[in-house]
Formats: sequence, structure tokens, C-alpha cells
Amino acid sequence: QITLKESGPTLVKPTQTLTLTCTFSGFSLNTRGVGVGWIRQPPGKALEWLALIYWDDDKRYSPSLKSRLTITKDTSKNQVVLTMTNMDPVDTATYYCAHRVGLGTFDYWGQGTLVTVSS
Amino acid sequence: QSALTQPASVSGSPGQSITISCTGTSSDIGGYNFVSWYQQHPGKAPKLLIYEVSNRPSGVPDRFSGSTSGNTASLTISGLQAEDEADYYCSSYSSSTTLVFGGGTKLTVL
Repeated sequence: QITLKESGPTLVKPTQTLTLTCTFSGFSLNTRGVGVGWIRQPPGKALEWLALIYWDDDKRYSPSLKSRLTITKDTSKNQVVLTMTNMDPVDTATYYCAHRVGLGTFDYWGQGTLVTVSS
Repeated sequence: QSALTQPASVSGSPGQSITISCTGTSSDIGGYNFVSWYQQHPGKAPKLLIYEVSNRPSGVPDRFSGSTSGNTASLTISGLQAEDEADYYCSSYSSSTTLVFGGGTKLTVL
């Protein structure tokens, strides 16, 4: 079965760079059509899509955050890494990674990891 | 601000039906059949309910159904149950931003 799990720091300081890792099993990012995305959710607020990477290394970013985001994959380790630069307290959120199929569906989600930005 | 507009809250009594709307534009909902709906209980990750407008993944009860009309997608839950109380989010492929989510709707089962 497909599983995903996010890992990374729980606390970062303002201006620092956040690096999150999504480790997955049950599928391969070498398979045509497969992608892994990152989505975040500030406490009490809505979901916000951040970035996507596809099997062919195509990468897509939220236009509002594109300048701060980088997504990469390591297919040998079954991992996807998201980096976000210049963190700010408004970036405090639970960050999820999810398995994406087709053009519009996240069918499996990780449990999420809460990242707090504070000095 | 979210790109897709959902009502902040809806409510219904057990056994009733409710509909949650999700309004976008011709660049997303109106232009593509790639609308998804997710259910999120407090403290939990979102769960896929509907994909490609009206398809249910295995295991999702047929009480949940989806549709679109123009630039608006809808999620209908029939035969409301207490366990349906949760937050619901729509999402759509977008030609301009790749993917957009709605602002979420809190469903209260009275």
C-alpha cells in the first residue's frame, strides 16, 4: 500500500531555510504519470498547494511562493525534498506531502508535520 | 485568499442531504474535469472523497457525490451521519496556477 511520511525540523527561526523530506513507499517516482506534491495548512486555515514534482522531473510551483521554493526527488531513496527560503512566522503551518495522479488528485497523504517559525 | 470560493459553513440534520459549492473560473473548474473533494477531520490529514468531478475512490460511500455546472463544482452528501462532521475542501487543476484549493467548508451535523 502507498504511504508517505514527512520529516524535518519542528521549529525554524525567521529568515532561515526550511528543508522537509517526504519518504514514501508503495509506488515509484519512475512510473509515468506519478507525482508527489507538497501542501501546507496554517493552524485553523485552509489548505494551500506549494509544489509538485513528476516522474519525468517536471516541477511546478505555486506562483505566489515560486521564488522561495525548490522541489527535488531522489528516486533511489524514494524521497522528495522541499526547501523554502526566508521563512517567516506566517509560514507556520502543518506541511503535508501527497501522492498525485493525473492532473487533479492527491489520493494518498502523509500525516503532516507542524513547522513553527519563531525566534 | 483562496482561489476557489466555498461557503465557510453548512449544517444539516442526520439523514438530510447537504450540498457544498465551490466556485472558480473558466481557467480551472469551468475548463477542466479535474475537480477533487477532500474531507478533513480535526487533527487529521485530508482524505480524498471525489476525483475528476464525480468519481469516488474505493471505500468512499455512495452517499458522497460530485458534479459541476459552469464554473461551479458541488459536493452533495446524502443521508447525513454524525461522522460526516468535518471540514471539506475542493481543488481543481488550473491552467494558470497548476492547482488551486478552496477555502474550506465546515460541516456541522446538528
